[in-house]
Amino acid sequence: AQSVTQPDIHITVSEGASLELRCNYSYGATPYLFWYVQSPGQGLQLLLKYFSGDTLVQGIKGFEAEFKRSQSSFNLRKPSVHWSDAAEYFCAVGPRSGGYNKLIFGAGTRLAVHP
Amino acid sequence: EPEVTQTPSHQVTQMGQEVILRCVPISNHLYFYWYRQILGQKVEFLVSFYNNEISEKSEIFDDQFSVERPDGSNFTLKIRSTKLEDSAMYFCASSEVRGNTGELFFGEGSRLTVL
Repeated sequence: AQSVTQPDIHITVSEGASLELRCNYSYGATPYLFWYVQSPGQGLQLLLKYFSGDTLVQGIKGFEAEFKRSQSSFNLRKPSVHWSDAAEYFCAVGPRSGGYNKLIFGAGTRLAVHP
Repeated sequence: EPEVTQTPSHQVTQMGQEVILRCVPISNHLYFYWYRQILGQKVEFLVSFYNNEISEKSEIFDDQFSVERPDGSNFTLKIRSTKLEDSAMYFCASSEVRGNTGELFFGEGSRLTVL
């Protein structure tokens, strides 16, 4: 079955600390991979995506993610967290062909940032 | 920056009533989607729409749901007879190209509460 697992429901970090949010997926073939962020009262904003090529992808707001095929993972990282990064983060996967962007989302990780 | 807009932001309705959620996709986009997120659960695909017809729908999208593009700008989701379990955040999205070579742009969501 196709699924996305985000093991951490809630993470709290101090401002300036590094961050890693985990994402594992189960899919028939290597999918397209995405991270979205949802700030309170806001919609889902795309942080970054992986289609092919370099397995380390850079996104907006200083985020990066690394695709590891052997581990079926696509973890999101940021070297130094800012208070404005407090939000909910969703990992998602989608088919490489057809599918009309039928994304499968993880349950999300809520990030809290302490000053 | 172009954005997807949704109205209303929050709607409360009685069980059995009809609800229409409205979305204005980005103007040059061709593909439109509805997703929903029941509180505490994952974001789930409902339906995709292209060229004035449904291109794909999930098993959640049963006969009580319908979508329509009544004019050149709006994209609506209708729930004919709401149930308690329809309470959720409903996200509209649009994309410029088919499949995952195009980014999905999400609206801020419409929260539906069924009493």
